[in-house]
Amino acid sequence: EAQVTQNPRYLITVTGKKLTVTCSQNMNHEYMSWYRQDPGLGLRQIYYSMNVEVTDKGDVPEGYKVSRKEKRNFPLILESPSPNQTSLYFCASQGTGWETQYFGPGTRLLVL
Amino acid sequence: SQKIEQNSEALNIQEGKTATLTCNYTNYSPAYLQWYRQDPGRGPVFLLLIRENEKEKRKERLKVTFDTTLKQSLFHITASQPADSATYLCALGEVDMRFGAGTRLTVKP
Repeated sequence: EAQVTQNPRYLITVTGKKLTVTCSQNMNHEYMSWYRQDPGLGLRQIYYSMNVEVTDKGDVPEGYKVSRKEKRNFPLILESPSPNQTSLYFCASQGTGWETQYFGPGTRLLVL
Repeated sequence: SQKIEQNSEALNIQEGKTATLTCNYTNYSPAYLQWYRQDPGRGPVFLLLIRENEKEKRKERLKVTFDTTLKQSLFHITASQPADSATYLCALGEVDMRFGAGTRLTVKP
């Protein structure tokens, strides 16, 4: 079954405590992305990756890091989380045909 | 700057009617436009992709049109059902994708 998985699904943390949200896809897709979704602001892209070791900034990259060392994994790293990073985060993957983009189930993050 | 606007935040219609959602964009020349469905607390689900050289695309009760002159896409759900109630998002771009804010559709029995 085509799948994008994210972990954890829910996370409460405190300001400044580094965290990583993992993302994995089983479709051998080249393209992967991270989005955040906030009420009134919609889905905004944080980072995307076109292949292993190739990443680029989306619209809201400040305060986030990513890495793509393997094709299937694309972790999102918050080195020093702040309360304004409280949000719902989605990972997504897409093949080279620009067809279906698959989204993960989301990670709800609360930074106190 | 690039902008994507969906016609309204919310749309209420009666079961059996056709729902029409609008997506307008500025400062884009997209090769593709996509529509997604999102249920509360869940990830968006891809519905349809339409290319710039396609005027219309259909999938079951769904129909999408794409007018690159007007810079507009229309998304239609015919014979709507309460199960179609969700937020519908349009998206432009390829890997560097941008989404509209969405239209929340409610279909009443």
